[in-house]
Amino acid sequence: AQTVTQSQPEMSVQEAETVTLSCTYDTSESNYYLFWYKQPPSRQMILVIRQEAYKQQNATENRFSVNFQKAAKSFSLKISDSQLGDTAMYFCAFTGANSKLTFGKGITLSVRP
Amino acid sequence: GAVVSQHPSWVICKSGTSVKIECRSLDFQATTMFWYRQFPKQSLMLMATSNEGSKATYEQGVEKDKFLINHASLTLSTLTVTSAHPEDSSFYICSARSGLNPYNEQFFGPGTRLTVL
Repeated sequence: AQTVTQSQPEMSVQEAETVTLSCTYDTSESNYYLFWYKQPPSRQMILVIRQEAYKQQNATENRFSVNFQKAAKSFSLKISDSQLGDTAMYFCAFTGANSKLTFGKGITLSVRP
Repeated sequence: GAVVSQHPSWVICKSGTSVKIECRSLDFQATTMFWYRQFPKQSLMLMATSNEGSKATYEQGVEKDKFLINHASLTLSTLTVTSAHPEDSSFYICSARSGLNPYNEQFFGPGTRLTVL
């Protein structure tokens, strides 16, 4: 069974600064996808970014990028030029061949004005 | 992007009654739908997976007789909480995925807040 670990429960960052959210995972599968989801106070789950395991190039989406280290089973999210609207809970997630999403515990990110 | 709706967005019911929550894919056909439960400040926990026209597959520890899931069409799945009790109070979220590829993106509904008095 796969596991996803987010060890930091909370983080805070100044507006316009850069912040990195950590995530590690464990799996015996060779093909899988990793995701970062954002859940703002509205509680609507929003896909931020996703990474296919067989792709070596790190995924990027505007201000969001990942550092995918497959051998280390690490998948961190970097948010550049943080904005007040980035304040939310962020979940790292994994999906393998069974198609189920396994979520980490989440991290609450606060962006300070 | 694809849109998934849930109804109602919130519901309050008395202990012992049943509550039905609907999940609809508005602009795509959902081959598979998932139901999650989320307690405050916690992660999403998968309750069950349903494929259109088939019985739902429940995760370990989830009572299938208490949480009835029906996926009768490619755009609608329902979760019925039977004989609800205060400990069933939670935030319930559905997601939907099209096609047969297990890696296709899941699209999430806005969630339903259930409070059982």
